[in-house]
Amino acid sequence: QVQLQESGPGLVKPSETLFLSCSVSGGSINNYYWTWIRQPPGKGLEWIACISDSGDTKENPSLKSRVIMSLDISKNLFSLSLNSVTAADTAVYYCARDVRGSGGWRGNDYWGPGTLVTVSS
Amino acid sequence: SYELTQPPSVSVSPGQTVSITCSGDELGDKYVCWYQQKPGQSPVLVVFQDDRRPSGIPERFSGSNSGNTATLTISGTQASDEADYYCQTWDSRTVFGGGTKLTVL
Repeated sequence: QVQLQESGPGLVKPSETLFLSCSVSGGSINNYYWTWIRQPPGKGLEWIACISDSGDTKENPSLKSRVIMSLDISKNLFSLSLNSVTAADTAVYYCARDVRGSGGWRGNDYWGPGTLVTVSS
Repeated sequence: SYELTQPPSVSVSPGQTVSITCSGDELGDKYVCWYQQKPGQSPVLVVFQDDRRPSGIPERFSGSNSGNTATLTISGTQASDEADYYCQTWDSRTVFGGGTKLTVL
């Protein structure tokens, strides 16, 4: 059974950089895309970015200038860096597996439990 | 940028059938997924590629997609189906609908 687990600081100061990692167990990072999605308190889901197993990335245009995703296949984990954070970046951050291949895109079939990141001084 | 529109809320009586819509420009030409999210939990994929169910998802969940509208239908709704539901598609980037709160009265 594939499991994902987010890790990172729960509190980040305004203007600083938020850094999160997602550890994947029970399966390989190969042959999938890997995604970050966030949800501000009481609001809906917002896609942040995804990365393929070869390192190709795609970002939400509204966040693209502030987002970097990376991948460490040897450690079976991927990461998110979001710079110049403000209170508007306060949210639960989820990592998820993104399934796409010859059969077409299939969405996000496995999700981490999520981690709350608060931006505050 | 591409947008998906969902009704903020719908309600249904136990045992009845309810449909949740998701609208977007020429949405029928794209694949749509649906997620169920209960309070304090991560979203769960309930439909992918418009009308396919992941293993473990009850048959009462079904989906369709045509024209500008995708629809998630829950037949024989149970109290445990009360949750927020989100549609999602891919249009050079992933897009989520705003979510629909389903209340089972």
